[in-house]
Amino acid sequence: ILNVEQSPQSLHVQEGDSTNFTCSFPSSNFYALHWYRWETAKSPEALFVMTLNGDEKKKGRISATLNTKEGYSYLYIKGSQPEDSATYLCASTSGTYKYIFGTGTRLKVLA
Amino acid sequence: DSGVTQTPKHLITATGQRVTLRCSPRSGDLSVYWYQQSLDQGLQFLIQYYNGEERAKGNILERFSAQQFPDLHSELNLSSLELGDSALYFCASSPGQPSTDTQYFGPGTRLTVL
Repeated sequence: ILNVEQSPQSLHVQEGDSTNFTCSFPSSNFYALHWYRWETAKSPEALFVMTLNGDEKKKGRISATLNTKEGYSYLYIKGSQPEDSATYLCASTSGTYKYIFGTGTRLKVLA
Repeated sequence: DSGVTQTPKHLITATGQRVTLRCSPRSGDLSVYWYQQSLDQGLQFLIQYYNGEERAKGNILERFSAQQFPDLHSELNLSSLELGDSALYFCASSPGQPSTDTQYFGPGTRLTVL
């Protein structure tokens, strides 16, 4: 993988559902994986920065895991609420310190 | 409010012109990053400065340049503007230089080139 890819592109879930999405990134020369939450008409807000293989981070109902060997990260949202509706972006950094962003997963939580 | 400020909020200009976008990082942050978000593309990393020095360069066109001043504010200069340069330009800051630092994004400057 040369780019950062996110799937699915968009997702509609019912309030209370749990959901997860994927970020795939180049595993060679990996430094860090960033997750951001981006609400419409606002700026991206950092959720997690992950560096170590097997890392798990949690913030309220949102958690993330990291597999640097195979180059993927999962973001989980437990019991989705309408206020979770946003675009979730991941970005990978390598030894060149350049940040490569995925195109995001647009989540819509229906009340 | 992330503590990162960007001016102006909106900018409308014509092709061929030159504009300067300004960013003030959070108090104490030494790194500044610039990003471009066009309609048909995701967030593109342009450039990073750390304590006045260029740290990393992304997909920044030769017509674009940036600098970080001694007071740590940064400016992104866009020249010979083309229609395709219309985009939302974000600045972000972080405390240090490692790529493991959390970045805090400003509200963005929306540039429209007519």
